[in-house]
Amino acid sequence: EAGVTQFPSHSVIEKGQTVTLRCDPISGHDNLYWYRRVMGKEIKFLLHFVKESKQDESGMPNNRFLAERTGGTYSTLKVQPAELEDSGVYFCASSHNYEQYFGPGTRLTVT
Amino acid sequence: AQSVTQLDSQVPVFEEAPVELRCNYSSSVSVYLFWYVQYPNQGLQLLLKYLSGSTLVKGINGFEAEFNKSQTSFHLRKPSVHISDTAEYFCAVSAAGSGTYKYIFGTGTRLKVLA
Repeated sequence: EAGVTQFPSHSVIEKGQTVTLRCDPISGHDNLYWYRRVMGKEIKFLLHFVKESKQDESGMPNNRFLAERTGGTYSTLKVQPAELEDSGVYFCASSHNYEQYFGPGTRLTVT
Repeated sequence: AQSVTQLDSQVPVFEEAPVELRCNYSSSVSVYLFWYVQYPNQGLQLLLKYLSGSTLVKGINGFEAEFNKSQTSFHLRKPSVHISDTAEYFCAVSAAGSGTYKYIFGTGTRLKVLA
């Protein structure tokens, strides 16, 4: 069984540019989560999808972040326009219930 | 709301020595508790979890943790560490029965096993 995959693994962009991160969950997992770790800090929750619906987006930092989950399968997280403080590692996780399976993360660097 | 504290940001230990990584949490509701490990350039891997029942939980790679409700702690232990255990370890909680099960993480503990 394939695990959670994320693309790209690394992204370096300039301030003001747009970046889109993609997450492919484990097949059959209805729950999909996005988290972010800013350097030196804890991993923080961003949002939670159940199938294609946003169940909880209380962790989204501001309206420069847009998450979608088309057809309840893969998800994208777009940052537009990117700011320096958006740098960090973005993790995606999927689950049936309370146990989450994490992807390797996307390291985003905004210069 | 929940919060998690991992007091030790780095823990150096010699190979074959025992180790304890500390985790304390606060919550006004019942919680599920987790320990994850992240090896370099990899995602987070579940070591063990506490949902209910026995307070001593055994996980993979010889790790175990004990849930202590009165002290709101969930410390991770291993009686004898190996070089390969060098990694970053994260404690996480989620509200039981919340329907969302989002995780609240601690800041992580870097375990460095020395030869």
